[in-house]
Amino acid sequence: QQQVKQSPQSLIVQKGGIPIINCAYENTAFDYFPWYQQFPGKGPALLIAIRPDVSEKKEGRFTISFNKSAKQFSLHIMDSQPGDSATYFCAASPNAGGTSYGKLTFGQGTILTVHP
Amino acid sequence: DAMVIQNPRYQVTQFGKPVTLSCSQTLNHNVMYWYQQKSSQAPKLLFHYYDKDFNNEADTPDNFQSRRPNTSFCFLDIRSPGLGDAAMYLCATSPLWSRNEQFFGPGTRLTVL
Repeated sequence: QQQVKQSPQSLIVQKGGIPIINCAYENTAFDYFPWYQQFPGKGPALLIAIRPDVSEKKEGRFTISFNKSAKQFSLHIMDSQPGDSATYFCAASPNAGGTSYGKLTFGQGTILTVHP
Repeated sequence: DAMVIQNPRYQVTQFGKPVTLSCSQTLNHNVMYWYQQKSSQAPKLLFHYYDKDFNNEADTPDNFQSRRPNTSFCFLDIRSPGLGDAAMYLCATSPLWSRNEQFFGPGTRLTVL
């Protein structure tokens, strides 16, 4: 119940394409859903995050879509660039007040390659 | 710039030889985390501190210990590294009032010979 399942494992798109990465969860106590971007040899960097009270959040070229009833959320990257090539992790965390507050459960990661 | 700093960036040790990894932060965050990330895998939480309150994950081996002498610094001690402990070790911080928003350091790549 604590797992977050992420797909696909890897994704290749051409420059300008719109890669979509999907995540699904089971634990209804999760109420914070961040996406992290990680370049080789670097730590993960928080990209964008959403809470279940909204269905979509956009920051620049990055958009999260959230479907609470289906317990799924996805990351869309508009006008993708070669510099977006990285590993993307979705994650989920329970709400404040519980003993697991702040414990991120990560998906398995998606290696994105954007060809010029 | 406020940041999370990890030293060293690369550490090579011998099988069974104790090693200490260091993390410091200028964000003044109350919460600090240590994660282990093996190749092509997601980060796995080892333990975390809420201020000086230490919280160990149930499946973290006893071989891994941590110290937090003050708000800014946190150390990861591996008492007897095995080959399976070779990994990237990530330190992260968050403010107490928003523990979900975690800021990661660049990591220390540990090699065990």
